[in-house]
Order: sequence, then structure tokens, then C-alpha cells
Amino acid sequence: DAKTTQPNSMESNEEEPVHLPCNHSTISGTDYIHWYRQLPSQGPEYVIHGLTSNVNNRMASLAIAEDRKSSTLILHRATLRDAAVYYCILIGTSGSRLTFGEGTQLTVNP
Amino acid sequence: GAGVSQSPRYKVAKRGQDVALRCDPISGHVSLFWYQQALGQGPEFLTYFQNEAQLDKSGLPSDRFFAERPEGSVSTLKIQRTQQEDSAVYLCASSLAFSYEQYFGPGTRLTVT
Repeated sequence: DAKTTQPNSMESNEEEPVHLPCNHSTISGTDYIHWYRQLPSQGPEYVIHGLTSNVNNRMASLAIAEDRKSSTLILHRATLRDAAVYYCILIGTSGSRLTFGEGTQLTVNP
Repeated sequence: GAGVSQSPRYKVAKRGQDVALRCDPISGHVSLFWYQQALGQGPEFLTYFQNEAQLDKSGLPSDRFFAERPEGSVSTLKIQRTQQEDSAVYLCASSLAFSYEQYFGPGTRLTVT
């Protein structure tokens, strides 16, 4: 699986938007970009995924660069409950095992 | 409906003991995964089942680790002769099918003393 690079940590204020970046310069044409998050003392939770086009769901938006070498997870209004480690993961069509990396620790300030 | 459940939630074992960790996936989910998460790190893949067939066990760290899913639903991860380096959170996840989003259980925290 291709490697992703994320900042170790980010901070945000409550009620403000958060943009979490992910670089994946070696992505292949069939790799899907998945985002999971892990709240303290819980198992990871699926957030969103996409291939080429931007995606929206009730939790977040995913903006994918035109060359697909980077993507950004957007939380439109951060809440305290969004404080978690966010993982950007590439999954090819040949497998669905998740390779998590270290992720980005998001801190949300009240 | 009910999510993925795991038991026990916490397990303390003395070095050399055998342990068995249970995972109840979401009903109807074909795929089941086990991951190991050391303190401060992201989860790492251990093994994958499609129904009762173990299709990938490349992540199991040693032959002391064994997983089964005999009837294609509940799965058990067994660790024989536990060592201190086995201390971690063991996460189970299930999905409807291959490549679908995975739903995780709360994990079992194993401490080997």
C-alpha cells in the first residue's frame, strides 16, 4: 500500500472549521482515500472515503487534489467531541486491510 | 443495531499464560479483521477472515498467535505463552464485504506482567 504523510498534531477552536491535510504522492490510480478517527479509549471509527471527486457526508467533507497526491479532511464546525487521532489511509482494490500510520492528533479548544 | 463487541475488555495475564480474546462482529458481516495497537501508536493489521476462511495472516507476529472463526461469525484470537511485548490493545473490526468500511469494537486491553 502507498504511504501517507500527516502532521503529528493540530489544534482548533470549538465551532471553527478544521482542515486536516494528508500527502500521498505515490498513490496509484485505483487507490481509494479513506479517513478514520479514533477517540480516546475507543476503537477507530470510519469517517469518509473518496477516489477522485470531493465527497460530503454528515460527519465531514473530503477534498481531493486534482492530481490526487494530497487530500484534506474538513470538519466544518469542530466540537469538543471531535478531539481524536485522525488517520488518512489508502486502500487499493486488491485489499482492505487498513495501514494506519501515526495519524494527526486533533486538539479542540473550548 | 448492535455494533462489534469484544470480551473481555481488560485482561491481565502472567508471562507464559495462554489467553483467548473474543470478537462478536455485526450480524451479517462477511469480513472480520484483527489489529494490534501498542500504546501511542496506530493499530497494526494482524489477520483477516472472509466468512470462516482465514485469507491473510501475514500480520501475526509469531506462531504463538492463532485466530479462528469456525462458523463464520464469532472469532477468537488466542495468544499462547504470553510475553511482555504482547501487551497492547487488540481490536476487532467487521465489514459487510471486502473493501467496505470497517466497524471497530472497543478493543481488549491485554497487560502481561
